[in-house]
Amino acid sequence: DADVTQTPRNRITKTGKRIMLECSQTKGHDRMYWYRQDPGLGLRLIYYSFDVKDINKGEISDGYSVSRQAQAKFSLSLESAIPNQTALYFCATSVGSSYNEQFFGPGTRLTVL
Amino acid sequence: TQLLEQSPQFLSIQEGENLTVYCNSSSVFSSLQWYRQEPGEGPVLLVTVVTGGEVKKLKRLTFQFGDARKDSSLHITAAQTGDTGLYLCAGASGSTLGRLYFGRGTQLTVWP
Repeated sequence: DADVTQTPRNRITKTGKRIMLECSQTKGHDRMYWYRQDPGLGLRLIYYSFDVKDINKGEISDGYSVSRQAQAKFSLSLESAIPNQTALYFCATSVGSSYNEQFFGPGTRLTVL
Repeated sequence: TQLLEQSPQFLSIQEGENLTVYCNSSSVFSSLQWYRQEPGEGPVLLVTVVTGGEVKKLKRLTFQFGDARKDSSLHITAAQTGDTGLYLCAGASGSTLGRLYFGRGTQLTVWP
């Protein structure tokens, strides 16, 4: 069984719709992250959370919001989707060491028409 | 501003050739990691280097951390088609706890 799962794996939606991407983990890690990946741009950090009561903005948080419902669950929302949010979205977890080694989910491919 | 610059961006070689991928920065990192990502999957951690000058070997892959902890390289000996993928370097900084800074990646294609 996968340690970090993401749902849905693929989603096509229309401009202006609200979308939620969900991430669950069974690794018992405190730290969770949301990234987006675009061709040629690498991985860019959207939001991260060190525990249930801690939420931090990453480098590209505008247009996104998150919710840490439990240690194991971290959701990403697009309040009003726009076409330039079309991308691959990855959730990751980390045990919290100084190395911050991260474990990624399989990704969600989101297309906004 | 990209903290970590990877080169080359694309690399296409024949099976059996050797190759080196570079990851450079003007910033000092407390540790540096290499990930490999295959199509349709998330990145998977290959190695973490933490000491300046450190060299780690993982079968045919050799990872090196620069003496000043600002750069790293990944060398693959006798590449195989299974090495095909996107190679990402990522740095951890002591001043921004809990975050990793990723390079844009090197897309490696190994042809039979």
